[in-house]
Amino acid sequence: GNSVTQMEGPVTLSEEAFLTINCTYTATGYPSLFWYVQYPGEGLQLLLKATKADDKGSNKGFEATYRKETTSFHLEKGSVQVSDSAVYFCALSEIGYGQNFVFGPGTRLSVLP
Amino acid sequence: DAGVTQSPTHLIKTRGQQVTLRCSPKSGHDTVSWYQQALGQGPQFIFQYYEEEERQRGNFPDRFSGHQFPNYSSELNVNALLLGDSALYLCASSYRDGSYEQYFGPGTRLTVT
Repeated sequence: GNSVTQMEGPVTLSEEAFLTINCTYTATGYPSLFWYVQYPGEGLQLLLKATKADDKGSNKGFEATYRKETTSFHLEKGSVQVSDSAVYFCALSEIGYGQNFVFGPGTRLSVLP
Repeated sequence: DAGVTQSPTHLIKTRGQQVTLRCSPKSGHDTVSWYQQALGQGPQFIFQYYEEEERQRGNFPDRFSGHQFPNYSSELNVNALLLGDSALYLCASSYRDGSYEQYFGPGTRLTVT
């Protein structure tokens, strides 16, 4: 079945540092790929998405590129802020009738001032 | 525009009891999915409702059941509660337009004692 693997962390960075959170996936079809963020005590918020190979999703300074050849969707940000501290989930969605998300285990990011 | 809402926020139940959780989708959405998020883990797909029918189901026992109403709101019912059912239950809504974007509610924290 489909699955998502991501670096589990926790990841601790200083403010303005470069961020990479690795995500790889296994899928039988052609999934859409997503990054969600969860702040303490809250539900999940969509951060960015990509629906086909070589698409780049971007939002709030975060970027991720859908790499079919390496089955990866790594999240990057050039300069993190304290407010970026949260848990980040990589996810995939099956294409076709019906949709459900398969999530990775999440990566906790802490950014220190 | 109200987003996805869930009730109650927190719930404490005893083993063997039954529980009902409620979800109202984002305005304009017609599909509701339910997820279970255990502490420190990624959300796990329970099932999805569209046109008042269960369309897809994850790897959860029959103790987990649901319903969708004509106004697209939904309920999740869990019978014969086990300690292992303690988790954050997330509702996500979407529209079947192929965008595969799901919007999550804040969740209901269920504790089984």
